[in-house]
Amino acid sequence: RKEVEQDPGPFNVPEGATVAFNCTYSNSASQSFFWYRQDCRKEPKLLMSVYSSGNEDGRFTAQLNRASQYISLLIRDSKLSDSATYLCVVPGSARQLTFGSGTQLTVLP
Amino acid sequence: DTGVSQDPRHKITKRGQNVTFRCDPISEHNRLYWYRQTLGQGPEFLTYFQNEAQLEKSRLLSDRFSAERPKGSFSTLEIQRTEQGDSAMYLCASSSYSENSPLHFGNGTRLTVT
Repeated sequence: RKEVEQDPGPFNVPEGATVAFNCTYSNSASQSFFWYRQDCRKEPKLLMSVYSSGNEDGRFTAQLNRASQYISLLIRDSKLSDSATYLCVVPGSARQLTFGSGTQLTVLP
Repeated sequence: DTGVSQDPRHKITKRGQNVTFRCDPISEHNRLYWYRQTLGQGPEFLTYFQNEAQLEKSRLLSDRFSAERPKGSFSTLEIQRTEQGDSAMYLCASSSYSENSPLHFGNGTRLTVT
């Protein structure tokens, strides 16, 4: 099983829609999880850390489900500027952080 | 600007040549990572330093790749005898020592091997 699996999409949603992405991981000992956003031909930028109790930052909500070994990202009231690739990040089997392949989101006017 | 900086931003080289990239991490970060990213994929781990010690190296990294961080500050990544398959974005990231610290990326070096 891959260390992290992520639905590549693409997700095409209208402005104002709510969209959710999931990411599953295999290392049950993982402690730190993150969501990154990457715009075309740019470097990944930290969007949110994912805490065990779940956390919210404005329109964005991240949740962790340890029993089923997945993390999720919910975006409410989508904006055109939310169009990007969203990468989930989990600790790998070594001490590196392992990235998912990314989910492409396009918010349509 | 106190972010992670990488140099050069772009590098075009002919197959068989050697290339070297540099990364300057955020000054108070003692962990430094190199990742490689190709189109449509997430960043792929290459290697990781804690201070000057190279603690992990991906099994995917061939002997043509070598990385150093001699004084625990900046790092270099060298690719010898480049191949067309080495064409990718090479990303450097740094983080602090805490286990829960996220990575902060530089702008990357885009390598094209012709």
